[in-house]
Amino acid sequence: EADIYQTPRYLVIGTGKKITLECSQTMGHDKMYWYQQDPGMELHLIHYSYGVNSTEKGDLSSESTVSRIRTEHFPLTLESARPSHTSQYLCASSRMGLAGGDTQYFGPGTRLTVL
Amino acid sequence: SQQGEEDPQALSIQEGENATMNCSYKTSINNLQWYRQNSGRGLVHLILIRSNEREKHSGRLRVTLDTSKKSSSLLITASRAADTASYFCATYFGNEKLTFGTGTRLTIIP
Repeated sequence: EADIYQTPRYLVIGTGKKITLECSQTMGHDKMYWYQQDPGMELHLIHYSYGVNSTEKGDLSSESTVSRIRTEHFPLTLESARPSHTSQYLCASSRMGLAGGDTQYFGPGTRLTVL
Repeated sequence: SQQGEEDPQALSIQEGENATMNCSYKTSINNLQWYRQNSGRGLVHLILIRSNEREKHSGRLRVTLDTSKKSSSLLITASRAADTASYFCATYFGNEKLTFGTGTRLTIIP
């Protein structure tokens, strides 16, 4: 089991609400990522971070924003949720290693439903 | 378009049989990784194979990599019901980001 946690696991909210999905890891990893995944589909990278105060947009455009004030914490915020945001959101982390890619450790995911 | 595509999209086999799934990718890579995802959960890393390796084993898993064909295969031997999951290949090709394939949904029939 990886030491990376996401809360809440399930969230059902109404349109227009502001939400924050929490992600924390206790492995001291510098790199953290947010992916969006629709049921039975591939993962799409929406945000990533190389370390504190570093945030980058991923390959899939997203209306969400992220922050990285502490190494262990990488929350994702939606200012005004819409039904099109309904999806599973997966957080992951990896250590800052040699170029060539390191193993990513994933949290259990947050399944978001916007009514 | 995605970097990796798995084949088949879905596979059902009897418990005890071997399962093989394939991954094709488009550009040169540094390494290729396989992950497992149980329904509704996060992904779990299974194995990483570097571009200069041709084969790697881990328990009941065997991964091959053919860089000339830009393809990889994952073999699970003596399958068990607990192997039922989706399996994804993911590639690094120098931009420090993993790109995931479309996944193979594996069902083991007891």
